[in-house]
Amino acid sequence: DVKVTQSSRYLVKRTGEKVFLECVQDMDHENMFWYRQDPGLGLRLIYFSYDVKMKEKGDIPEGYSVSREKKERFSLILESASTNQTSMYLCASSIGQGEFKWSNEKLFFGSGTQLSVL
Amino acid sequence: QKEVEQNSGPLSVPEGAIASLNCTYSDRGSQSFFWYRQYSGKSPELIMSIYSNGDKEDGRFTAQLNKASQYVSLLIRDSQPSDSATYLCAVISYGGSQGNLIFGKGTKLSVKP
Repeated sequence: DVKVTQSSRYLVKRTGEKVFLECVQDMDHENMFWYRQDPGLGLRLIYFSYDVKMKEKGDIPEGYSVSREKKERFSLILESASTNQTSMYLCASSIGQGEFKWSNEKLFFGSGTQLSVL
Repeated sequence: QKEVEQNSGPLSVPEGAIASLNCTYSDRGSQSFFWYRQYSGKSPELIMSIYSNGDKEDGRFTAQLNKASQYVSLLIRDSQPSDSATYLCAVISYGGSQGNLIFGKGTKLSVKP
């Protein structure tokens, strides 16, 4: 089974702190994604990556950055955390090979990180 | 703005009944359609995918797609309390070599014993 591991299940940070959320997948997937999920707003794509050292903005990239130095690891960085970034953060990966190289269908999600910014 | 619409629910059905979950999408060029299940406090899990018009069955689950009406549905037969979850509809549109996955906000299903 594909395993997508997020480093923390719960995280509490203070406004202005720099926050790192780590995600590792063990199935050699090409594509990796960061979403946030908020009640009433659903899943929103923050950033994604189709290759090492490659990143693309999603729908809500403001206030975030990402890093993908190795194929299996995709990090989300909050440069200066704010209270409106309190949310559930979900990392996901997909195979991204062949016909579906650039697609993000059939996502495998990590267990999520509930981030609270105080 | 491409959209995927779902009734937020909650949809309440008795155990053993058929649960019907519906989804509409705005982009007529959409080609791939998915249903994810999300238990409370857990992450989404893919349960069904469908790519062509008609029905696709997998155990107690049936996905139905009607591209002309831009409508996709999920039927759960013999509903069980363990089916209680939020069901997310997701749709992909392909532009060039890149696909864009759009999630609906989900329908909460409650199956009463």
